[in-house]
Amino acid sequence: DQQVKQNSPSLSVQEGRISILNCDYTNSMFDYFLWYKKYPAEGPTFLISISSIKDKNEDGRFTVFLNKSAKHLSLHIVPSQPGDSAVYFCAAPNQAGTALIFGKGTTLSVSS
Amino acid sequence: DADVTQTPRNRITKTGKRIMLECSQTKGHDRMYWYRQDPGLGLRLIYYSFDVKDINKGEISDGYSVSRQAQAKFSLSLESAIPNQTALYFCATSDFSTSGSYQETQYFGPGTRLLVL
Repeated sequence: DQQVKQNSPSLSVQEGRISILNCDYTNSMFDYFLWYKKYPAEGPTFLISISSIKDKNEDGRFTVFLNKSAKHLSLHIVPSQPGDSAVYFCAAPNQAGTALIFGKGTTLSVSS
Repeated sequence: DADVTQTPRNRITKTGKRIMLECSQTKGHDRMYWYRQDPGLGLRLIYYSFDVKDINKGEISDGYSVSRQAQAKFSLSLESAIPNQTALYFCATSDFSTSGSYQETQYFGPGTRLLVL
């Protein structure tokens, strides 16, 4: 049973527009969430995180929104750039605090 | 220099062979992890270690073993490789902290692409 779900395998956006990547989770006990970005032939790199005590965290062009009642978070990239083309993973620590649970990823393609 | 390194970066092996993937880190983290990535399946945890004497199975540990030789080194072995172990393998370390609530950021190596024929 997937506890962290990314239901859109891919997303295509034009340069300069907003990219919105979505993530849903099933466990209401999750209280910390992360987004990772992965380029081909490289390991995932940490992008941004959010604690459940907040509903928004912003870092430059990247903003993560958390809706606890809907068990939903989203990553907004504004403006999108071709270099943002990558696979984005949503993740949350498991309840035992022993590991991160990752979604299956969303491939973002930003065209110029 | 990279904080988390993996060797080899690419490996082709035959069914039944034993192979070892190695991971080293200079971040000084106690926690280390091995994941595999398959198309459409995301990252799945194979094994994790919280210190040199602590080894734990993850979601998909069958067919794999690990060794934590030192705080900085964590190796993954396939005792008898099979074709469905063809995947991208990632090592990661973690700066686990519990300041108020559980928070953890993992830092990944560049990956090893393994092909089992």
